[in-house]
Amino acid sequence: QLQLQESGSGLVKPSQTLSLTCAVSGGSISSGGYSWSWIRQPPGKGLEWIGYIYHSGSTYYNPSLKSRVTISVDRSKNQFSLKLSSVTAADTAVYYCARASHSYGDNAFDIWGQGTMVTVSS
Amino acid sequence: SYELTQPPSVSVSPGQTARITCSGDALPKQYAYWYQQKPGQAPVLVIYKDSERPSGIPERFSGSSSGTTVTLTISGVQAEDEADYYCQSADSSGTFPAVFGGGTQLTVL
Repeated sequence: QLQLQESGSGLVKPSQTLSLTCAVSGGSISSGGYSWSWIRQPPGKGLEWIGYIYHSGSTYYNPSLKSRVTISVDRSKNQFSLKLSSVTAADTAVYYCARASHSYGDNAFDIWGQGTMVTVSS
Repeated sequence: SYELTQPPSVSVSPGQTARITCSGDALPKQYAYWYQQKPGQAPVLVIYKDSERPSGIPERFSGSSSGTTVTLTISGVQAEDEADYYCQSADSSGTFPAVFGGGTQLTVL
């Protein structure tokens, strides 16, 4: 059973860069037919898709965050990462990593990590 | 940007049928997905491609589509179904490949 686990800094200062990693276990991140996403949820609010990376390495980002987001993959460690630059309090949220399986449709998120809370504060 | 519109809340009594709608201009052309999220937990996919149900999801969950509106129906609602439900889809141009609705809180009275 494939599992995802987020890790990274839970507290980031304003204007700095948020960095998170999602470790993939029980399967290979290089398998075809999947993309790997980051999704966030501010406290008490709804879900916002941040971006995804395909097994090929190509990326696609939410246009509203594109100028600040980088998603990358480390195949040797079977993990993918998120960097969000120039953070503000509005970036405070639970950050989830998730897998989209194309057998369910183009962007159906069938497996999620448990989520990690990131607070932006000085 | 592209928006999907859901009612903020829906309330039903146990055993009744709950219907949660999601509206968006591109829904006639794009598949919709539905997620259930309980407090403190990650979302769970309950419907994909408008009306398909992943394995392990109870048969009381179903989905349908009509024009610019998709509907999640929960038949014979149980107390354990109380949760937030989110629809997800994409815009027609591909600019926004994954957009979530604002979420609907389902209360089982």
